[in-house]
Amino acid sequence: EIVLTQSPGTLSLSPGERATLSCRASQSVSSSYLAWYQQKPGQAPRLLIYGASSRATGIPDRFSGSGSGTDFTLTISRLEPEDFAVYYCQQYGSSRTWTFGQGTKVEIK
Amino acid sequence: QVQLVQSGAEVKKPGSSVKVSCKASGGTFSSYTISWVRQAPGQGLEWMGRIIPILGIANYAQKFQGRVTITADKSTSTAYMELSSLRSEDTAVYYCARAISAYFDLWGRGTLVTVSS
Repeated sequence: EIVLTQSPGTLSLSPGERATLSCRASQSVSSSYLAWYQQKPGQAPRLLIYGASSRATGIPDRFSGSGSGTDFTLTISRLEPEDFAVYYCQQYGSSRTWTFGQGTKVEIK
Repeated sequence: QVQLVQSGAEVKKPGSSVKVSCKASGGTFSSYTISWVRQAPGQGLEWMGRIIPILGIANYAQKFQGRVTITADKSTSTAYMELSSLRSEDTAVYYCARAISAYFDLWGRGTLVTVSS
């Protein structure tokens, strides 16, 4: 089973700053099968990025995804107040199972 | 616009079972798959299993094999997740989520299941 490790655990930044979140896989992951989600307290996760770099419908262009193989990155170019949340990466494996990273919390500094 | 509407919160005794439902309101399951993902208090997301409703075929995360059963009723566009032999560690919010290919584009609002004696 592929394990996804996200870093850092917590990112303390100010509005307007750039956020860079990392997701590292224990084995190579198809870029087509890597996604990112945002979750705010008391809410269900929301799809941000799929296929490693494609923005989901309605997602602002300040969110971008990149990477391949075992290393993937979610970048928020300029943090808006509504972007402070927890972010999860997710992969779909050849065994028809899904796994999530443990999450990165982006908090206001 | 399709929404996934989940059943209400449950309180269960250790050792019992719980069955949570997820109805596609405003549409059908079509060719999508429905997964169940849980989140314990203050913890991350954990995928439990999924079903392909039009085929009735399910597969599960190894951790939950033998304890979880996911079913679907095509006629009502409703999926179900039943978890047995409940223990306190199963206290969590349980989400259903629709998968297009490899990612989840639509989520239910979650069902809180509390396991307590």
